[in-house]
Amino acid sequence: LAKTTQPISMDSYEGQEVNITCSHNNIATNDYITWYQQFPSQGPRFIIQGYKTKVTNEVASLFIPADRKSSTLSLPRVSLSDTAVYYCLVGDGSSNTGKLIFGQGTTLQVKP
Amino acid sequence: DGGITQSPKYLFRKEGQNVTLSCEQNLNHDAMYWYRQDPGQGLRLIYYSQIVNDFQKGDIAEGYSVSREKKESFPLTVTSAQKNPTAFYLCASSIYDRGTDTQYFGPGTRLTVL
Repeated sequence: LAKTTQPISMDSYEGQEVNITCSHNNIATNDYITWYQQFPSQGPRFIIQGYKTKVTNEVASLFIPADRKSSTLSLPRVSLSDTAVYYCLVGDGSSNTGKLIFGQGTTLQVKP
Repeated sequence: DGGITQSPKYLFRKEGQNVTLSCEQNLNHDAMYWYRQDPGQGLRLIYYSQIVNDFQKGDIAEGYSVSREKKESFPLTVTSAQKNPTAFYLCASSIYDRGTDTQYFGPGTRLTVL
């Protein structure tokens, strides 16, 4: 299973755009890239998922270059409530094991 | 109101006791999972089940047991054999759709061994 590398922590200010980059050099052909958000003492919440190019939803955008060895989660105009841990995962969508590897994630601190 | 529920939210246990954590989902998802999270760490997979009456060990199954008698329920028992059971336990479920298998998580149960 492909492993991911992402920064341990990031700081930002309210209203700024935040970009969190994740490296996954060993991503397999069938792997999707998924991002989760987790607040303290809560379960992770699904944010966005993609396979290639760009995916956008009401919460975030996900940019994936052609070689798929990295991806960038973009959060537009963050607020204090976006302070959380963000996990980048790659999973084998073809085998239906659903087995994901959660690293330490990126702790985003949004300041006023 | 659809989703994944876990109970209780907080659980205290004396050393040497077994304890069972509940996980129920009404999303009609086929697969269910149990994870353990320690402070400042990511999630580690304990057990998962892709279908009723079948389950597989994850990375840290020792000291834990599960059952999957119904599609909507996947209880986790933390046995006395688990050496360090104090942790935050998360249950998830997923359904395989269009080539991907996205997991959705419950609110978690925090277990403390006294």
